[in-house]
Amino acid sequence: GAGVSQSPSNKVTEKGKDVELRCDPISGHTALYWYRQSLGQGLEFLIYFQGNSAPDKSGLPSDRFSAERTGGSVSTLTIQRTQQEDSAVYLCAGGGRSNYGYTFGSGTRLTVV
Amino acid sequence: DQQVKQNSPSLSVQEGRISILNCDYTNSMFDYFLWYKKYPAEGPTFLISISSIKDKNEDGRFTVFLNKSAKHLSLHIVPSQPGDSAVYFCAARSGGGSNYKLTFGKGTLLTVNP
Repeated sequence: GAGVSQSPSNKVTEKGKDVELRCDPISGHTALYWYRQSLGQGLEFLIYFQGNSAPDKSGLPSDRFSAERTGGSVSTLTIQRTQQEDSAVYLCAGGGRSNYGYTFGSGTRLTVV
Repeated sequence: DQQVKQNSPSLSVQEGRISILNCDYTNSMFDYFLWYKKYPAEGPTFLISISSIKDKNEDGRFTVFLNKSAKHLSLHIVPSQPGDSAVYFCAARSGGGSNYKLTFGKGTLLTVNP
């Protein structure tokens, strides 16, 4: 597609439920990143994919968070047993091999009530 | 441990004047620095970058300055326009090969008044 697509754009969930966030990157972008922005905070790195493998998962805040990427394309970020502190905007970004500037999607605003 | 710091949460300037957004970093291994601009309900968009071996990069109304000895960079926008009103994030790149990561600051909300 023309840009990075994320779905849903908004998600309200009850504490304790699992959620899945989806990212559909630009075709040909081998690198894919997940970031999140909590209220009043900067963009916090979560995980990086190169193709289907994740060489850097160091930003995942707990084992409730996991992500996968299939076919070198779509990625899903799963949060199990959501907590209120998980409320944030989750942003996906893609980058080509020589692209210093990532292209971000519009994000998924997650609210845990 | 915040490796990239934007100490001013907000900045207000008059249209036509210069906007100066500042950023400090602590990790001397960062090799590229980038500025992103973010409007509400949109993802950040890449604005301008600078290599750690340069001290200045200019693109139209936007200029980024890098002072490596002070671990400080700044974004200058001149002349500022109301459409420049947005949150500006400073980011620094680390890693190598095909594994890069951007570390972002908390952002500065720029308001350009007509």
